[in-house]
Amino acid sequence: EAGVVQSPRYKIIEKKQPVAFWCNPISGHNTLYWYRQNLGQGPELLIRYENEEAVDDSQLPKDRFSAERLKGVDSTLKIQPAELGDSAVYLCASSLAQGGSTGELFFGEGSRLTVL
Amino acid sequence: SQQGEEDPQALSIQEGENATMNCSYKTSINNLQWYRQNSGRGLVHLILIRSNEREKHSGRLRVTLDTSKKSSSLLITASRAADTASYFCATGIHDMRFGAGTRLTVKP
Repeated sequence: EAGVVQSPRYKIIEKKQPVAFWCNPISGHNTLYWYRQNLGQGPELLIRYENEEAVDDSQLPKDRFSAERLKGVDSTLKIQPAELGDSAVYLCASSLAQGGSTGELFFGEGSRLTVL
Repeated sequence: SQQGEEDPQALSIQEGENATMNCSYKTSINNLQWYRQNSGRGLVHLILIRSNEREKHSGRLRVTLDTSKKSSSLLITASRAADTASYFCATGIHDMRFGAGTRLTVKP
């Protein structure tokens, strides 16, 4: 079975340019997460989806970041315009929530963004 | 938000030695999870311990949980160079939030 797939793996852009990241979760996983990980730090939650509904986007900088999960499967995270401080690894994860609590998260390999 | 905090930040040991990492958290949990991240890769789930469990084993891994102290520990026995990675604990009920991690280096 395929794991969580993310693309692109690497992206280099100039500041003020837009960028988008794509995630395909594990089939059947109803919960999808986007995390941002800065160098030497742990992942920080940006947004969590339950099916197609964003149930926690409190940490998403809404002035420049947007996300969608159409049909409750694939998801896209967009940054427009990008700033130097957005350089980080963007991780997508999925899980199958059971009994109202979160089980094991399955992560993709991440998309490394460098903003010049 | 709930977030685990790992201690120490970095740990360097010789191959064959045991490595112990600790995690503290602030609020009630349903479960606590440990993950490993090799350099440049995504996180990989290692073990999940439920709030009503005190100890759990998986191969060379041993995890303990003390809900009265809001803390957990991860023990890796007989470490190998391949165990070199960052280790994170994660807590949450409906989502999982991570600490800054422990960077483990195992020297051959």
